[in-house]
Amino acid sequence: GAVVSQHPSWVICKSGTSVKIECRSLDFQATTMFWYRQFPKQSLMLMATSNEGSKATYEQGVEKDKFLINHASLTLSTLTVTSAHPEDSSFYICSASQGTDTGELFFGEGSRLTVL
Amino acid sequence: GQNIDQPTEMTATEGAIVQINCTYQTSGFNGLFWYQQHAGEAPTFLSYNVLDGLEEKGRFSSFLSRSKGYSYLLLKELQMKDSASYLCAAMDSNYQLIWGAGTKLIIKP
Repeated sequence: GAVVSQHPSWVICKSGTSVKIECRSLDFQATTMFWYRQFPKQSLMLMATSNEGSKATYEQGVEKDKFLINHASLTLSTLTVTSAHPEDSSFYICSASQGTDTGELFFGEGSRLTVL
Repeated sequence: GQNIDQPTEMTATEGAIVQINCTYQTSGFNGLFWYQQHAGEAPTFLSYNVLDGLEEKGRFSSFLSRSKGYSYLLLKELQMKDSASYLCAAMDSNYQLIWGAGTKLIIKP
């Protein structure tokens, strides 16, 4: 099946610094990628929809200036958490669709961010 | 509004069968997904139903009733590795996925 790679898997940073997470579709082109956040024992929360070559569409309540999303190519989307604070500590996951009829999503491995 | 309901937690015995139910209310409907998620890992795709009926894939089967806004995931011959959260998600008319909170399945020997 299609593979989506996410990097880094784990990141620990100091409060006030910025962290970039990459999401790559390795064997297919993804015109749309999705970024989620997941707190422990809770469901996925869609943060934004990333479209190649255009601005991301953010869900209500998600600060676009804090969570910068760039989708520079058909195989790469990045999420930058700017000026991270401890409350931003979470599990961030990306997904991409091959655009098939099933609409099946392929998920990256997830990135666990801990802000000290 | 749009809503997905599924039980928070279920417990079953190794070797048994368990059914995880999901009801949904969405603006339009373009299919129902089930994903498996082990703790600390990303979800993995299990099934997709857009037509009424049962789809079987090995030990896992998924059922959909569009008129009732209802789906279930059936897991047979349970193994310890099936201990995970099972996420139900419905796709609305805008092709956006509406996620349930997940059902934590605990398998006991």
